[in-house]
Amino acid sequence: DAGVIQSPRHEVTEMGQEVTLRCKPISGHNSLFWYRQTMMRGLELLIYFNNNVPIDDSGMPEDRFSAKMPNASFSTLKIQPSEPRDSAVYFCASSWTGGGEKLFFGSGTQLSVL
Amino acid sequence: KQEVTQIPAALSVPEGENLVLNCSFTDSAIYNLQWFRQDPGKGLTSLLLIQSSQREQTSGRLNASLDKSSGRSTLYIAASQPGDSATYLCAVIGNQFYFGTGTSLTVIP
Repeated sequence: DAGVIQSPRHEVTEMGQEVTLRCKPISGHNSLFWYRQTMMRGLELLIYFNNNVPIDDSGMPEDRFSAKMPNASFSTLKIQPSEPRDSAVYFCASSWTGGGEKLFFGSGTQLSVL
Repeated sequence: KQEVTQIPAALSVPEGENLVLNCSFTDSAIYNLQWFRQDPGKGLTSLLLIQSSQREQTSGRLNASLDKSSGRSTLYIAASQPGDSATYLCAVIGNQFYFGTGTSLTVIP
């Protein structure tokens, strides 16, 4: 398996623009997580899905952030409009609940909002 | 809410030393605990997963222990090498994954 695949690896955009991050979880996994990592705040859970349904989105900072999981093999995290304070590394991770809960991470998207 | 703490935040040791990284959590009602390694600019790589019914797991020079009752886990690294330099994070798995802030390890040649 190719592991969790995220795209793009790097994204540089201007304040006010829309940003869409993409994630393909490991095939067969039924849980998907979006995390944000910064030096100041460490690793923060934004939202997680189980069987394509959002279970907990309490970590989503504000209405500018939205996430979707239209099927078991694809998820998006959208920021609209983006702001400089959104600059961070965004990770997607997946696991199979009922299988030991082991979490697998993608390589992340480095987002810079100018 | 589950809180996960890792001490120390940073650690520097000479090559060859054995070392212990600590992870503590406030709610003992967990399913599993997972240790990760993160290299600069990279994602998190899973090192060891300890089921709640287990007390330890070993992989090569790594040994992780879990004491649910005291809310503690340790990651023991034997005969450290410069290639072990990275940030090590623990994650406690309850109704979701709760991460510590990590320990940044530097192994000096």
